[in-house]
Amino acid sequence: QQQVKQSPQSLIVQKGGISIINCAYENTAFDYFPWYQQFPGKGPALLIAIRPDVSEKKEGRFTISFNKSAKQFSLHIMDSQPGDSATYFCAAKYGSNYQLIWGAGTKLIIKP
Amino acid sequence: DAGVIQSPRHEVTEMGQEVTLRCKPISGHDYLFWYRQTMMRGLELLIYFNNNVPIDDSGMPEDRFSAKMPNASFSTLKIQPSEPRDSAVYFCASSFPRLGTSPRTSYNEQFFGPGTRLTVL
Repeated sequence: QQQVKQSPQSLIVQKGGISIINCAYENTAFDYFPWYQQFPGKGPALLIAIRPDVSEKKEGRFTISFNKSAKQFSLHIMDSQPGDSATYFCAAKYGSNYQLIWGAGTKLIIKP
Repeated sequence: DAGVIQSPRHEVTEMGQEVTLRCKPISGHDYLFWYRQTMMRGLELLIYFNNNVPIDDSGMPEDRFSAKMPNASFSTLKIQPSEPRDSAVYFCASSFPRLGTSPRTSYNEQFFGPGTRLTVL
C-alpha cells in the first residue's frame, strides 16, 4: 500500500512530441505528489508538484494530471526537447511524515 | 547558499575497508535524508533525521551501515566493512517542511546533493 508504481521504465520521444509518464498509488492518505528530474551525474531536483484537491497543474511545458478516483497521476511534457532527456521520478507523501515514497524512475530520451 | 554539499564525490575502496561519506545540509533545513541509487533498485531511502535525531532507519540494509548527525550542519554515513554490493551512488538531501494549516496541506521539497559514487572492489 505504500508503493508508487511508475511506468514506463524507459521512453523515447521525438523532438517536439509529447512525453507522458504515469504513476499509480494505493494509499488514499497520500496528500502531496511531486515529480523530480535527474540529469546524469546530478541529484534529483523538484520539477513540479500537485496536491489531490486539484486535477491539473501546469508549469511551462510540464503538466501534472491527477485522477483521484483512479489513484493515478501523470507527467506530460509538451514540445519535448533534447534538454528534457533525463530520469524522472514520481513520489508521494502523507500527513506529517515528511519522507517521500518514490517511484522506480523513467529514463526519458528525446531524439533530435 | 551553496546547496547540499557531499564529500567525497568519488570513492574507490577495497572490500573490507571502512568508508565514510559526508554531508552538509542547507543551513536552516531540519530534515536530512540519506539515499542510495543503483540501476537495479532505483532510489532507496536509507535513513532520515529530523533536528539531528534519526527518525526512520528501516532502509539501512544491514548492521554494516550506520549514520550519525552530530549537529545541524553535518552528517555521516559509514559502511564498515564495505562489500562490492555496496557500490552505488549515495545521495544526501535536506528539506525544510512548509507547514500548512493542517498536515494535509503541508509539504516539503527535498534538495539533493551531487552524490558520492562509491565503488568497492
